[in-house]
Formats: sequence, structure tokens, C-alpha cells
Amino acid sequence: AQTVTQSQPEMSVQEAETVTLSCTYDTSENNYYLFWYKQPPSRQMILVIRQEAYKQQNATENRFSVNFQKAAKSFSLKISDSQLGDTAMYFCAFMKQTDSNTGKLIFGQGTTLQVKP
Amino acid sequence: GAVVSQHPSWVICKSGTSVKIECRSLDFQATTMFWYRQFPKQSLMLMATSNEGSKATYEQGVEKDKFLINHASLTLSTLTVTSAHPEDSSFYICSARRAGQGAKTQYFGPGTRLLVL
Repeated sequence: AQTVTQSQPEMSVQEAETVTLSCTYDTSENNYYLFWYKQPPSRQMILVIRQEAYKQQNATENRFSVNFQKAAKSFSLKISDSQLGDTAMYFCAFMKQTDSNTGKLIFGQGTTLQVKP
Repeated sequence: GAVVSQHPSWVICKSGTSVKIECRSLDFQATTMFWYRQFPKQSLMLMATSNEGSKATYEQGVEKDKFLINHASLTLSTLTVTSAHPEDSSFYICSARRAGQGAKTQYFGPGTRLLVL
């Protein structure tokens, strides 16, 4: 069975600074997808970034980038130039490639990030 | 595009009553919809996957007679919590997979908070 672990329940960062959220996962699969989702106080889940396991290059989306270490089964999220609107709960999630039709996502426990002015 | 709505956004009901939650894809057709349950400050747990026109697939440990799912059209799935009890109080979130897209792209609704007294 696949598991996703986020070891940081809460984090804080000063506005404009950089913060890194950790995520590790356990799987015997070779092909899979990894995701970071953001859940702001409004509770609406928003996809931040997605990484395909077969790609060696780390995914980036503007101020958001990941450090994907397949051998170590690590998938951290770096937020640069943090903004107040980044305050949210962040979830790391895993999907087997064989589940890409069924869409089964396995979520970590979440990390609550507060950006301080 | 790709907006998913849920109705109601919150509901309070008495123990023993049934509650229906709707999940709609507003600007796309959703071949598959997913229902998640989230406890306060915790992760999302997949409850079931519903495909238009067929029976839902429930995750292990989820009572299908307790949580009735109907996906009658390509834009609407409903979750009915039957004979609700206080332990069913939770935040229920749906997501939808757009027809023609793989399920690694899911669009989430804003969630429904259920409180059973």
C-alpha cells in the first residue's frame, strides 16, 4: 500500500521569504504522479504543482517548485517570495499511474503554512 | 473553466435524518466524480468513485448503504448520508474528472460541512 507522510504539521514564514514543505512517500510502484494541493481558509482545494515520476526535471510553477528525489522517495515544495495569500493548508498527494484512469489520490496529513506580514 | 460547485455549503441536521449533498460540474462534463471526507485539520480520505450511469466504487471501510452515491448525469453526482449520526459530522468534498482528460487532473468543489446533532 502507498503512504504519504508530511512530518511538519505547522510552519510559518515571513512575507517575501522562502519556505520548504517536506513530503515523503512509500511505494513499490515505478510509475506514478505526485501533487501538491493548497487548501486555503475557503477550503477550496487548488492544484499547485504536479510531477510525473518518469521525469527527472523538477516541476516549477512561477514561485512554486519541487525537489523530487525518486530514490529517496522525497517530494518537497519550495515557495519563493512568500505572499500573504499563500497562507493555507498544503497537501502532498500520490497517484499510481495505473490509477490515472480511476483517479485515486492518496493524501498526506497536511502542513498548515502561515505567512506573516 | 473547470468549476465544480457543491450544495449546500453547510448543513445542520438531527440525528436519524438523511442529508443529500450535490456536486455539479458547471462548465464541463464529468465522467467521473470522487467523494472525499475530511476531519478538522486532517487529510482527505477517498470515500468512493462514481462514474456516470454506473454504480459507485466504494473504498474499503466505507458503508455503501450509509453513503449512497448517485451519478445520474455527466454534470451531477449526489451523496446521501442516510440516517445520519453525530459521528458522520465532517467536511465532505467532491472532485470531478473532465471527460476526455485523465484522472490525474481533478477539479475540486468547495466542500460541504455537515453537522449532525
